[in-house]
Amino acid sequence: ETGVTQSPTHLIKTRGQQVTLRCSSQSGHNTVSWYQQALGQGPQFIFQYYREEENGRGNFPPRFSGLQFPNYSSELNVNALELDDSALYLCASSWEAGAGTDTQYFGPGTRLTVL
Amino acid sequence: AQSVTQLGSHVSVSEGALVLLRCNYSSSVPPYLFWYVQYPNQGLQLLLKYTSAATLVKGINGFEAEFKKSETSFHLTKPSAHMSDAAEYFCAVSGTSNTGKLIFGQGTTLQVKP
Repeated sequence: ETGVTQSPTHLIKTRGQQVTLRCSSQSGHNTVSWYQQALGQGPQFIFQYYREEENGRGNFPPRFSGLQFPNYSSELNVNALELDDSALYLCASSWEAGAGTDTQYFGPGTRLTVL
Repeated sequence: AQSVTQLGSHVSVSEGALVLLRCNYSSSVPPYLFWYVQYPNQGLQLLLKYTSAATLVKGINGFEAEFKKSETSFHLTKPSAHMSDAAEYFCAVSGTSNTGKLIFGQGTTLQVKP
């Protein structure tokens, strides 16, 4: 069974640029959630995708957007990058959306640095 | 709204000593509670979770946590610390949204001294 994978591992961008981060969910999981973890902080929920539809969003501006594909892999896109977007971006997959008891399995993350 | 407070951003123990990491939650509905561990430059790994069954939950690597509704707490313990336990620990709550999204505390860094 393959776990959650993310690419790239590290990324350096400049302010104003756009970035795409990718996530492959664990086998059999149809739900992907994205979190942003700033240095020294706990992860914060960005949004969730369930069966290719956005299924909830945290307090992040519209320049954070996403996609989920038929194989349940997912992308996180961030436009007009700002310095404060520098963070570790974590992807988590789970069996079914909305089940608060369901375990979310996290990938290793993508470290984004905005200069 | 739900929230989590982790008391103590840094905890230092000697190898072999008791580990106690504190977590208090706020929730208007019965919560589901989780402890995750994060090793340097890695993602989060689930240690254990409380889903309204037994109040004492046993997890991996010898960790356990007890749900105490009267104290709104879910503290993480391990009887004897090992050097490999040095990491960042996060308490999280879920339960009121249709996403099952996790709301995390700020984290506690555990240092284990030889």
